[in-house]
Amino acid sequence: AQKVTQAQTEISVVEKEDVTLDCVYETRDTTYYLFWYKQPPSGELVFLIRRNSFDEQNEISGRYSWNFQKSTSSFNFTITASQVVDSAVYFCALSAYTQGGSEKLVFGKGTKLTVNP
Amino acid sequence: SQTIHQWPATLVQPVGSPLSLECTVEGTSNPNLYWYRQAAGRGLQLLFYSVGIGQISSEVPQNLSASRPQDRQFILSSKKLLLSDSGFYLCAWSVTDSSYNEQFFGPGTRLTVL
Repeated sequence: AQKVTQAQTEISVVEKEDVTLDCVYETRDTTYYLFWYKQPPSGELVFLIRRNSFDEQNEISGRYSWNFQKSTSSFNFTITASQVVDSAVYFCALSAYTQGGSEKLVFGKGTKLTVNP
Repeated sequence: SQTIHQWPATLVQPVGSPLSLECTVEGTSNPNLYWYRQAAGRGLQLLFYSVGIGQISSEVPQNLSASRPQDRQFILSSKKLLLSDSGFYLCAWSVTDSSYNEQFFGPGTRLTVL
């Protein structure tokens, strides 16, 4: 069965520090997708990125970057020059299928990031 | 653009009372729809999913049920709430096509059962 592990339960940094959130996954699928979501205090999950298993190129979007390493089954997320607005719970998720064949996401337990001014 | 609505935003209900949470999606047709629950300090757990009107599948056995009376409406219900039903309920939708697509989430409903 698919599994996502986010070993860091909580991280606290000072503004402008760089921070990396770890994500390790387990799957037997040969083709799969990985996702990151942000959950600010308001509660709504905000989609950040989708990456398929065939694309191991790192991706950068502004202060955000993602490092996908198939060899270690990891999909880590780095925030450069963190800001207070980055404070949120971040979830890593992995594609899976229900018994009925429909798509579903398997989520890690999340990492709570607090950026202090 | 697509938007997803959930209501109510918060709800406090006594044990044994009924429940009805509603989710609607705008700006898309025939979406996949999902209900997740997020318990305190835990990740999200898929409860129900639907690929079309009247088509509901459950991922885990529980005290809840779901219905999809219209293409873009998804309802989560219970006849008698339990304390363990407390949590943050999130509705999500995704596009139905050949690719594995990201899911987009609503604002959620925080349910407290007393």
